[in-house]
Amino acid sequence: DSGVTQTPKHLITATGQRVTLRCSPRSGDLSVYWYQQSLDQGLQFLIQYYNGEERAKGNILERFSAQQFPDLHSELNLSSLELGDSALYFCASSASPGTEETQYFGPGTRLLVL
Amino acid sequence: SQKIEQNSEALNIQEGKTATLTCNYTNYSPAYLQWYRQDPGRGPVFLLLIRENEKEKRKERLKVTFDTTLKQSLFHITASQPADSATYLCALTDRGSTLGRLYFGRGTQLTVWP
Repeated sequence: DSGVTQTPKHLITATGQRVTLRCSPRSGDLSVYWYQQSLDQGLQFLIQYYNGEERAKGNILERFSAQQFPDLHSELNLSSLELGDSALYFCASSASPGTEETQYFGPGTRLLVL
Repeated sequence: SQKIEQNSEALNIQEGKTATLTCNYTNYSPAYLQWYRQDPGRGPVFLLLIRENEKEKRKERLKVTFDTTLKQSLFHITASQPADSATYLCALTDRGSTLGRLYFGRGTQLTVWP
């Protein structure tokens, strides 16, 4: 158990809908990362937050947004969902960015868009 | 373009043998490189980190080498066991982007048969 929690574990929804994925980092970790993993793309970095501030953006679509709250949990919002958004979404946390800190990954949320 | 290539999608070896996985990168300047293990439907788990100025790192039956001239890392599992069967991902941080952000290879699926 990495100490990172993600909810829900599974999500089935329809095209055009909006969903919110939630992540709680390990106790004491200030940095949160979101990744998308699909069969054809592998593990792709989406966005990173550190202590509530956006730190880096990767291949995140404009339909997606995220935030990190004062209690350090993070939410990833996916809107106007398309079939191609079906994937595993992972959250990871580390103590701080910019160091050799290991990233600890959560169990993931499996999203299926029908 | 930037690429991280892992030698093969699948590697099958007999129990007791040494598994060697390869990670080659193009157009990155990694500060350090990490290896993760991922089991089906689960989040990646950190295994080893090696810095750019280190040639080799060991942890129990695991060994990682890093050759910045060849732009390659090798990951070895000695005395392999069926429990080592999983997908192994290499990941690096690039000096040209925000430290802490990881770029992942597609992974090599290792199967160790008795």
